[in-house]
Amino acid sequence: AQSVTQPDIHITVSEGASLELRCNYSYGATPYLFWYVQSPGQGLQLLLKYFSGDTLVQGIKGFEAEFKRSQSSFNLRKPSVHWSDAAEYFCAVGAWASGTYKYIFGTGTRLKVLA
Amino acid sequence: DVKVTQSSRYLVKRTGEKVFLECVQDMDHENMFWYRQDPGLGLRLIYFSYDVKMKEKGDIPEGYSVSREKKERFSLILESASTNQTSMYLCASSFNDRKNSPLHFGNGTRLTVT
Repeated sequence: AQSVTQPDIHITVSEGASLELRCNYSYGATPYLFWYVQSPGQGLQLLLKYFSGDTLVQGIKGFEAEFKRSQSSFNLRKPSVHWSDAAEYFCAVGAWASGTYKYIFGTGTRLKVLA
Repeated sequence: DVKVTQSSRYLVKRTGEKVFLECVQDMDHENMFWYRQDPGLGLRLIYFSYDVKMKEKGDIPEGYSVSREKKERFSLILESASTNQTSMYLCASSFNDRKNSPLHFGNGTRLTVT
């Protein structure tokens, strides 16, 4: 069955440090992959997406993600974290499941940024 | 920019009440979705719709129903609210003809059932 795993529930980094949020997926074909960010009390905002081509994709707010088929991973990175990046981050895959197209989400990683 | 508007940010209802959560999108998206978000469980799909008057059950449809009479509007209905339906509810929409089309979310409705 299709699934998305975000192994880190919480991550804490210092402002200015680099960041990597992990995402692993399970899907038989080439997936459509997304990263979303949710600020407190808000809905989810799209950071970036991947569906083909260059495996390193750039997104908004200085984020990037790399698709690695051999590892079934789509990790999110940022070279230098800002205090405003504190939020919850969700990885998602778009995939066919039981005859319909669905978006399957991970359980999220909550990022805390230390000043 | 795509705008998905949920009519209420916060709602407090009593057990047994019928509750309507409304969602409107302005980008002519064919697909609309209702998710429930709970700590540690991520987003779980309740219902979705690929067209007007069309609906499909998601992963957790029990206790909920939906209505889509117009393309831009998708309503979630709690027939008889219960305390275990206290949660954050997120509406989303997307295009139907492109599988890489991302979901666009509203700001959510935080529902408390007492």
